[in-house]
Amino acid sequence: AQSVTQLGSHVSVSEGALVLLRCNYSSSVPPYLFWYVQYPNQGLQLLLKYTTGATLVKGINGFEAEFKKSETSFHLTKPSAHMSDAAEYFCAVSDRSGGSNYKLTFGKGTLLTVNP
Amino acid sequence: DVKVTQSSRYLVKRTGEKVFLECVQDMDHENMFWYRQDPGLGLRLIYFSYDVKMKEKGDIPEGYSVSREKKERFSLILESASTNQTSMYLCASSLRWTVPEKLFFGSGTQLSVL
Repeated sequence: AQSVTQLGSHVSVSEGALVLLRCNYSSSVPPYLFWYVQYPNQGLQLLLKYTTGATLVKGINGFEAEFKKSETSFHLTKPSAHMSDAAEYFCAVSDRSGGSNYKLTFGKGTLLTVNP
Repeated sequence: DVKVTQSSRYLVKRTGEKVFLECVQDMDHENMFWYRQDPGLGLRLIYFSYDVKMKEKGDIPEGYSVSREKKERFSLILESASTNQTSMYLCASSLRWTVPEKLFFGSGTQLSVL
């Protein structure tokens, strides 16, 4: 079964600093990869996704992520943190084998706090 | 934009009660999902449905059942609520089942079982 590991349940950065949220997956074949964000008292919304093609994926709100097959990683970055980025971030994976394409496995989440 | 509506934001029930959580989506999506979210555990899939009257178990189906009689509505049923089912429940939908489409989430139902 595939799994997703998010390193660091809580990341704290200063406003204007680089944001780096780590995600590693285990899958025997290249998977589909996603980052979702959850703001307080809301459901999750998609930030970005990787399916095929370019390994550097740009998403909403200035976030981007790079798929590195050799490292089985899909880390999320943003050059300069803003106070409004404070939220919980979830990495998710769905591999391409069999009939399970439409079911996502989520990581445990990383809570990002942004300090003024 | 797609809207996924969960009928209750907060719900308090007693142990042993039968509980219904309702979810409605307005964009003719094929797939619908029920997740539960617990601190430190992330989101775990309970059940999903890829068509009317079709359902499949997710990773933690024990103690739950689901119903999808109409395409737009997906209900989660706790047959006999227990305290360990106190959690945030999130409903989601996606357009097709042939590729992993973007999920659209509702705002969640915080269920407390006393």
